[in-house]
Amino acid sequence: QVQLVQSGAEVKKPGASVKVSCKTSGYTFTDYYLHWVRQAPGQGLEWMGWISPNSGDTNYAQKFQGRVTMTRDTSISTAHLELSGLRSDDSALYFCAKERSRYNIWDALDYWGQGTMLTVSS
Amino acid sequence: EVVMTQSPATLAVSPGERATLSCRASQRFSSKLAWYQQKPGQAPRLLIYGVSTRATGIPARFSGSGSGTEFTLTISSLQSEDFAVYYCQQYENWPYTFGQGTKVEIK
Repeated sequence: QVQLVQSGAEVKKPGASVKVSCKTSGYTFTDYYLHWVRQAPGQGLEWMGWISPNSGDTNYAQKFQGRVTMTRDTSISTAHLELSGLRSDDSALYFCAKERSRYNIWDALDYWGQGTMLTVSS
Repeated sequence: EVVMTQSPATLAVSPGERATLSCRASQRFSSKLAWYQQKPGQAPRLLIYGVSTRATGIPARFSGSGSGTEFTLTISSLQSEDFAVYYCQQYENWPYTFGQGTKVEIK
């Protein structure tokens, strides 16, 4: 069965960087785009961007341009999200999510990781 | 960016009753609209995509409709496990955007 398992909670100081991983299984990693979505405590969902696990191509929401890097390691079917210049308002639950259709970026997100909690505090 | 506005923010419904959730977009788009359910401490779960297609394993009591800028999620007869927060999302324009959510609570 399809599974996305994310790395554990992180606590970082303002200005630091964090790298979150999303290990996938149960499907062909390179066939489906992966997205990152975050959710601040008690708030709604905010889309951050996607990565093509096949090509490594990325597309980031403008809000995060310059601070976010999405990468992948096809040998272990894992995607990574790196966020730099952390601020207190980056404290949130970060989710990875798989695109529903093969090779297609214009589709809904059908499987989600369990989320990684990031706390940014001095 | 396309702003998605959901209403109401909170909906109190008795078990067995119908719930109707609305989602309005700031600009027209075709059919790339999804609905997700999220329970406390859990990741969102895909319910509906393409405005009206139920995702795998989603019960028939969930249905989606709409076009243009107005979309609706209907839960025909609320079960105890349906009390949750529901989000709409458009995936036709960058950036993908979500509504702020509708919380369905027990009346």
